Amino acid sequence: NAGVTQTPKFRILKIGQSMTLQCTQDMNHNYMYWYRQDPGMGLKLIYYSVGAGITDKGEVPNGYNVSRSTTEDFPLRLELAAPSQTSVYFCASSPLGGYTFGSGTRLTVV
Amino acid sequence: GQQLNQSPQSMFIQEGEDVSMNCTSSSIFNTWLWYKQDPGEGPVLLIALYKAGELTSNGRLTAQFGITRKDSFLNISASIPSDVGIYFCAGQLGGSTLGRLYFGRGTQLTVWP
Repeated sequence: NAGVTQTPKFRILKIGQSMTLQCTQDMNHNYMYWYRQDPGMGLKLIYYSVGAGITDKGEVPNGYNVSRSTTEDFPLRLELAAPSQTSVYFCASSPLGGYTFGSGTRLTVV
Repeated sequence: GQQLNQSPQSMFIQEGEDVSMNCTSSSIFNTWLWYKQDPGEGPVLLIALYKAGELTSNGRLTAQFGITRKDSFLNISASIPSDVGIYFCAGQLGGSTLGRLYFGRGTQLTVWP
């Protein structure tokens, strides 16, 4: 049972490049979330989804997009990378309650 | 967004000491949770609290859901080196917020042998 799997673990992007952060869960959870974590700032919600085909914005959605075509997958897309998007990104899933987090993607934009 | 005030920001203690940290909010939460994050990993759930006044233990960890539903406390007894990490409180409002968690900024715990 893998839980929540995030790829890649590390990535360096140049300003203006795009990339997709992958997130897959095998627990059949309906709820999935993307957070970013900056030093000393806790976790901020970017986007979330309550089921396949349904997504909504969190606290800090600007510069990101998501899709949820299946229950298992919830990719996060950065279209035009900016230095302000340097952060650690966590995906989480939940049946409705305590989350299970992935191990994170550390992204640096230079 | 909701603001959770978590304190202290950091703690440096000696092995064997007890630890206390807390989280307060201006909003009433239906659920309080405490997570621990090890370096390079995602947060892992330690304790979940669902009722005002609830006191729950998980080994050496004890957490309480405040009576006002606006605060929560986590205590660690007889700390050991593997307790090192960042501890986060998180709250759920319930209702139409659909399971969203709001996080405190974390307490960085360092344990000296």
